[in-house]
Amino acid sequence: SAVISQKPSRDICQRGTSLTIQCQVDSQVTMMFWYRQQPGQSLTLIATANQGSEATYESGFVIDKFPISRPNLTFSTLTVSNMSPEDSSIYLCSVQGRTTDTQYFGPGTRLTVL
Amino acid sequence: QQQVKQSPQSLIVQKGGISIINCAYENTAFDYFPWYQQFPGKGPALLIAIRPDVSEKKEGRFTISFNKSAKQFSLHIMDSQPGDSATYFCAASKFYGGTSYGKLTFGQGTILTVHP
Repeated sequence: SAVISQKPSRDICQRGTSLTIQCQVDSQVTMMFWYRQQPGQSLTLIATANQGSEATYESGFVIDKFPISRPNLTFSTLTVSNMSPEDSSIYLCSVQGRTTDTQYFGPGTRLTVL
Repeated sequence: QQQVKQSPQSLIVQKGGISIINCAYENTAFDYFPWYQQFPGKGPALLIAIRPDVSEKKEGRFTISFNKSAKQFSLHIMDSQPGDSATYFCAASKFYGGTSYGKLTFGQGTILTVHP
């Protein structure tokens, strides 16, 4: 199984600022995803992080608001830009390994925007 | 057409009882159905998954039942324990071959509470 770490684990931010969340995996993976989970809600896919090319965003999510980088096969970042209280949520990194159909999730980053 | 509908929203079961959570999907292209378990403050963890070439899959106390014609699948937790208290999510995606799967579409989640 893949071991995923996310930084920071939680943060409290002011409206209008930006936060970059890091996701590190202990092995090379093919697919990396970013999800949002609002309090008490299900998981919503924000985008697929593509290595060496622009991320693929889901409907309702745009690059200007959620820029994503994936410089290699083990690391990705998600930035939440120009934050508002509505961005308060848990942001989860997820990966799919090269030889497994299982999608593993990181522990999440709990973001509160004041 | 991408929705996965999950029920019930919450479930209370006595220790030793059977917990049953149901999901229904609309997209007939879905052919991979995992269940995830999430404890407070943690990311979801894969519990069990099924492909539609079988109607049932069992792993320990956890069983997935799959009804392709009805486009429904369910999770059964036998001999439920207080440690099973968590939020359970069903999901669905399309299998593209090898180990390549499409993006997961999640159900709304079920909060399971198992009383001692």
